[in-house]
Amino acid sequence: DIVMTQSPDSLAVSLGERVTINCKSSQTVLYNSNNKNYLAWYQQKPGQSPKLLIYWASTRESGVPDRFSGSGSGTDFTLTISTLQAEDAAVYYCQQYFHIPYNFGQGTKLEIK
Amino acid sequence: QVQLVQSGPEVKKPGASVKVSCKASGYTFSGYYLHWVRQAPGQRPEWMGIINPNGGRASYAQKFQGRVSMTRDTSTTTVYMELSSLTSEDTAVYYCARVSTGNVSPFDYWGQGTLVTVS
Repeated sequence: DIVMTQSPDSLAVSLGERVTINCKSSQTVLYNSNNKNYLAWYQQKPGQSPKLLIYWASTRESGVPDRFSGSGSGTDFTLTISTLQAEDAAVYYCQQYFHIPYNFGQGTKLEIK
Repeated sequence: QVQLVQSGPEVKKPGASVKVSCKASGYTFSGYYLHWVRQAPGQRPEWMGIINPNGGRASYAQKFQGRVSMTRDTSTTTVYMELSSLTSEDTAVYYCARVSTGNVSPFDYWGQGTLVTVS
C-alpha cells in the first residue's frame, strides 16, 4: 500500500499570510506513460464532506479560488494558499489515486491565528 | 445538478450488519464509478472500495474483503454498501463519492455521509 504522510499536523496562520502544506507518498504516484501525478487535495470543514480542491497534483477544480495551488511530482507534493482567508480554516487531506487502496494523508488542521 | 443522497444514521449491535444506500441523480448513472470511504471520529478518511454501476463489478480494500459488499440498482440509480460482523471499530461516517471521469480519477462529488454507530 502507498502510505501518505502530511506535514505539519496542524498550523495557525494570520489572515492574509501564505500557507504551505506538504504531502509525501511512500512510492511514486507519477505515471510515466501520461506524465500525470495521481495526487489530489481535499478540504474538509467540521460536519461536512470532503471537497475536492486540486487534482493531478496541480489542476484546480472548477470553482476553487485561485489562491489555492498545488505543486510537486513523484513523491513530494505541496498545497499552497497564497493569501489566507477566514473561510479557509479547515482540515486538508492529500490522497493518492494511483494504486488501490486510494489512501489519504493523516490531515493538516489549519486554524486562523 | 449532481447529487448523491445517502440514507440516514444507523445504530447497530456488535456482530450485526449495516446497509447504507447512496442515490445518485443529475448525471448518467452508468457513466461514473462510485467509491465508498469511511471516516472514524477524528481520523483520516479510509478508502473501502469501488463499484462500476455499468455491470456492477466491485473491488474492495483488502482490509474489508469478506466483510463488505457493494451493489447497485440501475432502476433507482442507487448504490449500496453492506458491512457485516460489525465491531465498535466500525463506528464512523460512511460516504459515497463519485469519480470525476473514467475509472481512475479523484472524487468530485460526495454524499452527505451516513453515521453508523456500533454499540
